[in-house]
Amino acid sequence: DAGVTQSPTHLIKTRGQQVTLRCSPKSGHDTVSWYQQALGQGPQFIFQYYEEEERQRGNFPDRFSGHQFPNYSSELNVNALLLGDSALYLCASSLSGSDTQYFGPGTRLTVL
Amino acid sequence: GEDVEQSLFLSVREGDSSVINCTYTDSSSTYLYWYKQEPGAGLQLLTYIFSNMDMKQDQRLTVLLNKKDKHLSLRIADTQTGDSAIYFCAETYDTGTASKLTFGTGTRLQVTL
Repeated sequence: DAGVTQSPTHLIKTRGQQVTLRCSPKSGHDTVSWYQQALGQGPQFIFQYYEEEERQRGNFPDRFSGHQFPNYSSELNVNALLLGDSALYLCASSLSGSDTQYFGPGTRLTVL
Repeated sequence: GEDVEQSLFLSVREGDSSVINCTYTDSSSTYLYWYKQEPGAGLQLLTYIFSNMDMKQDQRLTVLLNKKDKHLSLRIADTQTGDSAIYFCAETYDTGTASKLTFGTGTRLQVTL
C-alpha cells in the first residue's frame, strides 16, 4: 500500500519563475492538504482540496494556487517566485470525515 | 486564536525517558497530534489523542493531555539513538468543512550515548 508520494524531490528556480509541485495521496484517501515548511519552522497550512475544490485556505497570497484531479492527486502552483518561497513543501492526505493527515516526503524548493 | 508552543531543544541519554512538552491556545481543538521529522524527510505520524481523553499509550509512547491548562506532553520510554529527530505537536479543529493542522515550531531531541 503506497503512502503519499511527491515529485520532484528537489527543485531549483530563479526569482520570477513559476513552479508546479505534484502529490499523489495515500491509497483510499480523497483529501489533499499542502503545507510550507521554512527552515527551522513548523509547517504552515497553505490550502486543502476535496472533490476538486479548494475547501480552506491559509494565509498565503494568490500566487499560490492548486488543483485536484478526479483521481485525487493534486498540484501546487507558485507564480512569480520570491526568495522567501524557498522551503520544504509538504503534501498530506486524509480521508474526508477523518482529521488524521499522513504526509509525503516533501519537495525541497530553492529560489535563487 | 491558534498558537502552539514547544521548547526548542531536549537532550537525553540513551535508555532514559524523554518528555517533550507542548502548549496550545485553541480550546476548540478536536485532535492533538505528535509527528516526528528526521533530517531532510517528511513528517511521520507517531500518535494522536482526542481532546476528550487524558492519556493514550502506544508501546514506548505515552501522551498526556491536560485540557484545563491546554498542555500536551509526549513521553518516550527507553529512548534510543534512532529517536533523535525533531518532534512537532499539532492541533486540529473541525471547521465543519475542513480540518487544518496548526503546528508548533518543533522540539529537537538529541539522544547521547
